[in-house]
Amino acid sequence: GENVEQHPSTLSVQEGDSAVIKCTYSDSASNYFPWYKQELGKRPQLIIDIRSNVGEKKDQRIAVTLNKTAKHFSLHITETQPEDSAVYFCAARRTGTASKLTFGTGTRLQVTL
Amino acid sequence: DTAVSQTPKYLVTQMGNDKSIKCEQNLGHDTMYWYKQDSKKFLKIMFSYNNKELIINETVPNRFSPKSPDKAHLNLHINSLELGDSAVYFCASSHNRDPSLNSPLHFGNGTRLTVT
Repeated sequence: GENVEQHPSTLSVQEGDSAVIKCTYSDSASNYFPWYKQELGKRPQLIIDIRSNVGEKKDQRIAVTLNKTAKHFSLHITETQPEDSAVYFCAARRTGTASKLTFGTGTRLQVTL
Repeated sequence: DTAVSQTPKYLVTQMGNDKSIKCEQNLGHDTMYWYKQDSKKFLKIMFSYNNKELIINETVPNRFSPKSPDKAHLNLHINSLELGDSAVYFCASSHNRDPSLNSPLHFGNGTRLTVT
């Protein structure tokens, strides 16, 4: 089955700096890669997602890049703000009869003033 | 107006008891899921139902039994609760059985289960 590794497990940045979270996946047939943000005590919420036929996608201060050859994808947050502090999860999905999202282990991002 | 709602929000119970968590979605989605998030925040899929049909059943003890009376509801019943069952359980739904750009996963607010 799919295995998704995520690094780092914790990340502390100063407000205004950029943050990068990286994930690798094992199944070369995976073709959909969403990112979820989970604030303390709340539910995971989709913040951005990308298909395997696209190398990069941006939405304001967040962007995701995908390298299919290397089987890794990254989340980039620019001009970080305190409200970006949360746990971020990457995920990968392979289309199939019972396709499912496999999540990474999460990155706790702390944006300090 | 919560799209995926689950009850209760908190559940504290003793070992050996049987408990249920209920989930309802008003998004008109065909597929619903149960995920377990442990103390280390790992999110693992347990079950998935598509139009009331079980399509994903991960290696979950058979003490856990999902039930989907209709495509808008997916309940989780747990028998003989154990300490290791303590976790946050998230219900989720997607438009169809294939999570994608057109069918992203929507999570409920979670049920924090504590087994003492």
